[in-house]
Amino acid sequence: NAGVTQTPKFQVLKTGQSMTLQCAQDMNHEYMSWYRQDPGMGLRLIHYSVGAGITDQGEVPNGYNVSRSTTEDFPLRLLSAAPSQTSVYFCASSYDRLTQYFGPGTRLLVL
Amino acid sequence: GEDVEQSLFLSVREGDSSVINCTYTDSSSTYLYWYKQEPGAGLQLLTYIFSNMDMKQDQRLTVLLNKKDKHLSLRIADTQTGDSAIYFCAEGITGGGNKLTFGTGTQLKVEL
Repeated sequence: NAGVTQTPKFQVLKTGQSMTLQCAQDMNHEYMSWYRQDPGMGLRLIHYSVGAGITDQGEVPNGYNVSRSTTEDFPLRLLSAAPSQTSVYFCASSYDRLTQYFGPGTRLLVL
Repeated sequence: GEDVEQSLFLSVREGDSSVINCTYTDSSSTYLYWYKQEPGAGLQLLTYIFSNMDMKQDQRLTVLLNKKDKHLSLRIADTQTGDSAIYFCAEGITGGGNKLTFGTGTQLKVEL
């Protein structure tokens, strides 16, 4: 199993641009989540999904959209990037709501 | 509300024990976790403890939970240079998906 994969590893955007951060898992996990990690703030939950077709907001959802059309994929969309969205983004998946497996992260810089 | 706090930095000598502390505020937490993050990598789950337990031991790792004081600790015995990383504690509740609240992380530096 590849586990949780994220692409791209690094991205630079200009303010106002849009992009999609990709996340995929091959473990048939129902639960998937997106977090952002900022210095001195730990990880904060952006959006999560408990299964295909079901998504919900986390702690910091503004400026981000998600969809879950398949069990494997959980893309995160930035519709109009802002400098405040400069961060490291982690995707995670879980089979039992308890043990989350994290991807390697995507570093995003918004100029 | 939910708030998880950790000290920012800990330095120990190789071979000594490390103790990383964490306090949390949500009394409804069902599980408490310890994650390890090495430079440039994602988070790796080290261990977790159910809220009705006081202690859990897993090889060099010992987790202690004081539910009354909402205090969680991670002890690493015989600390090695490979243990140098950032350690995050997190609290989670069952139901409503995988909502984890993370602390700010403690950077552990192991010196020779």
